[in-house]
Amino acid sequence: DGGITQSPKYLFRKEGQNVTLSCEQNLNHDAMYWYRQDPGQGLRLIYYSQIVNDFQKGDIAEGYSVSREKKESFPLTVTSAQKNPTAFYLCASRSSGSHHNEQFFGPGTRLTVL
Amino acid sequence: DAKTTQPPSMDCAEGRAANLPCNHSTISGNEYVYWYRQIHSQGPQYIIHGLKNNETNEMASLIITEDRKSSTLILPHATLRDTAVYYCIAIIQGAQKLVFGQGTRLTINP
Repeated sequence: DGGITQSPKYLFRKEGQNVTLSCEQNLNHDAMYWYRQDPGQGLRLIYYSQIVNDFQKGDIAEGYSVSREKKESFPLTVTSAQKNPTAFYLCASRSSGSHHNEQFFGPGTRLTVL
Repeated sequence: DAKTTQPPSMDCAEGRAANLPCNHSTISGNEYVYWYRQIHSQGPQYIIHGLKNNETNEMASLIITEDRKSSTLILPHATLRDTAVYYCIAIIQGAQKLVFGQGTRLTINP
């Protein structure tokens, strides 16, 4: 089945540790996105990538880093510099060949920093 | 992107039509209206979009006013599984990011 996978669904880390969230897609989409969602709030864009080996900061990139070495994968690292890392993280992808704004979302990873 | 305004919450009885309003009074001529929904603890899901004509698909109908300043998403026969947060977004085609507001929390009651 085509889709986006994120793992793990729940992640716990100690304060001060870096943690990497996985996002993989087999939709052959060029564009991939990372969003953060806090309780009762909408989604906020962290980083996005339109093609391999290229990515841009979103609205809240501070304390995060990404890489895009393969088309299928767009991992997000939450660094110790991120002051409030506990949140629900969502990865999405879109076919950049289409002007249609449908983004396909993964199931999300809920990160809790203790 | 034009700002959209939605009621924070709505209730609807199971089996009835759920009508979710969205105000986008500053929408520009090349901005489309998109609707997504997010079931609890899942990723958002695309529902429907339109420019100025009314649209219908297997999930919902979208009614856009003639002046395009507002729209209504209609779920014709709501079920309990339609309980979710619904987001209305005004955006140009091909834009690189979606801006999600707080949406409308729709609760379908048995």
